[in-house]
Amino acid sequence: KQEVTQIPAALSVPEGENLVLNCSFTDSAIYNLQWFRQDPGKGLTSLLLIQSSQREQTSGRLNASLDKSSGRSTLYIAASQPGDSATYLCAGSQGGSEKLVFGKGTKLTVNP
Amino acid sequence: ETGVTQTPRHLVMGMTNKKSLKCEQHLGHNAMYWYKQSAKKPLELMFVYSLEERVENNSVPSRFSPECPNSSHLFLHLHTLQPEDSALYLCASSQDLPGGNNSPLHFGNGTRLTVT
Repeated sequence: KQEVTQIPAALSVPEGENLVLNCSFTDSAIYNLQWFRQDPGKGLTSLLLIQSSQREQTSGRLNASLDKSSGRSTLYIAASQPGDSATYLCAGSQGGSEKLVFGKGTKLTVNP
Repeated sequence: ETGVTQTPRHLVMGMTNKKSLKCEQHLGHNAMYWYKQSAKKPLELMFVYSLEERVENNSVPSRFSPECPNSSHLFLHLHTLQPEDSALYLCASSQDLPGGNNSPLHFGNGTRLTVT
């Protein structure tokens, strides 16, 4: 059974800092991977999708990478801002499966 | 503004009530999902519909009954729930299934359900 671990569970940083969030899968055979953010009381917003043929995706200050040999992904946030404060979740699917398996998330607080 | 709309935003119901959650997507997607989000647990997939056909029923108790009348609408009918069913219920949609053509999931803002 695929399980996803996100480290750290919570992170507090000062504004302007660069930071890395980590995600690892017990089964490294990941087909595609998504990173989401969730604001309190809200649904999930898709940030980046790494497709089956890709290893990395970038959007603005965000960069996500996937190492398929180890089943690990990182989300890099450059020059963090208070508006980045949210819970960040990663989720992955395996080929031929309708299931997207989620981690518990990392709660990020960026202090002004 | 999200392309996936869920109503109601909040729902309080007794254990003997019957209620329904509604989800509507305006994105022209083919797949729709129900997820349950409980405190300190990962999102749990409940049901998946592709082109109005249920393709996944993730061992969900029969007190939860999904309905997908067309590709834009998804319902979750609730009856005789338990207090442990209190959670945030999230609807999502995607162009295709996750294991297929790499399409991202789009979520609604959820229904916060409290069972008393």
